[in-house]
Formats: sequence, C-alpha cells, structure tokens
Amino acid sequence: DAMVIQNPRYQVTQFGKPVTLSCSQTLNHNVMYWYQQKSSQAPKLLFHYYDKDFNNEADTPDNFQSRRPNTSFCFLDIRSPGLGDAAMYLCATSRDLASGNYEQYFGPGTRLTVT
Amino acid sequence: SQKIEQNSEALNIQEGKTATLTCNYTNYSPAYLQWYRQDPGRGPVFLLLIRENEKEKRKERLKVTFDTTLKQSLFHITASQPADSATYLCALSGGGGADGLTFGKGTHLIIQP
Repeated sequence: DAMVIQNPRYQVTQFGKPVTLSCSQTLNHNVMYWYQQKSSQAPKLLFHYYDKDFNNEADTPDNFQSRRPNTSFCFLDIRSPGLGDAAMYLCATSRDLASGNYEQYFGPGTRLTVT
Repeated sequence: SQKIEQNSEALNIQEGKTATLTCNYTNYSPAYLQWYRQDPGRGPVFLLLIRENEKEKRKERLKVTFDTTLKQSLFHITASQPADSATYLCALSGGGGADGLTFGKGTHLIIQP
C-alpha cells in the first residue's frame, strides 16, 4: 500500500556525473515537494510543484532541477553532483488548498552518495 | 532570518512517563505548525497539525500546544513506550496549503524500559 514511492533507495554517483532521482505517488495529490536532508540536519525544501506550476526556493542551487511529467511522477535531476550534495533526498506530497488538510506525506527517501 | 530551535540533544525518558519536547521559533509568523516523527533512514511521518488560532490539539497519547506570543510549541507523549523512541521534527508553514515546510533539526527521544 505504498503511497509515495522513491527509487532507488540508495544511489551512488561519481563527482560531476548527472543523476536523476524519481518519485511517484498513488494519492493523486496536487502538490509534490523535494527536500534535501543531510546527516543530523533538518530537511531543507528545494522546490515544489503545484500541479504543473514549478516553485523554486531562492537558495536552491542551479545544479538542482526538477520535472513533473504528470500528476503521479516527479523527478529530481542533479546536473553535476559535488561531494556536498551527498544527502538523503525526500519526496513529499500534499493535497490542494481546497481540502484544508496541509499535512505532507513523505516517501522513504533516496540516500545519495557521491564518490 | 527564520530560525526554528529544537533541543538537539537526546532526551532520555523512562517508560511510562510523559515526554515533553520543545520547539521555539523566531522571525516567523506561521499560520500552522506540524509535528513529524522520523525513524533512522526513513522519511518523516505526520503526527499532528495545529493552527495559529488553536491552543491545543490531542490525538490518542499525543498532545500539542501552540503559543504564538511565546513563539513556542510543546509536544507531549503520555504513557511513553520504547516504541516511541525516534526523532521528532517540528515544522512551520506560513500558510497557503501548498507552501513547503521549514523544519527544525529535531529532538532524538529515547524511551528506556
């Protein structure tokens, strides 16, 4: 009954080699988010999609991009990973404004290692 | 800049006692505040949400208070159990529903049998 699925759970990439992380949801939620969480740190919002509208956080590096081809899927692209990009990447969803329910549903995360 | 402070040191509580976790914030006027539980290597799991015009919210053994004057939320777990051991994250949002969350670093709670 997985609701927010992230693949892969563990990803190893080389310094400077582009990598894509994927997220899918079965909740039919309008909003999808990507967070970065480094060890013992707070999850940090990178960007989110409200339907097809993309909302980037001001301090998210240009190295991070995202795509949402349809309601169910969202991708995180890291164009040239650096050692500092090693982290857990969390995908989350929430319902639209009209529902009044603002809690977010998180996937299990993808642990990215950069060598 | 916006800042959320949670006691980053581990909190050790004896089984059966009430655990109380604190979340303080500055330079922020959140429309609502949420608490999440995170287990090692897993994504956060939603526990409770409280709005700025609410003082207290309860769910089973959990209770959250929200004092916008003190800029503080308290999270209580009554009759604590070893299975409650985890990291608890406080998260704020300005409102609008689709806003992303600003998280604290979390408090690592350990319930000792």
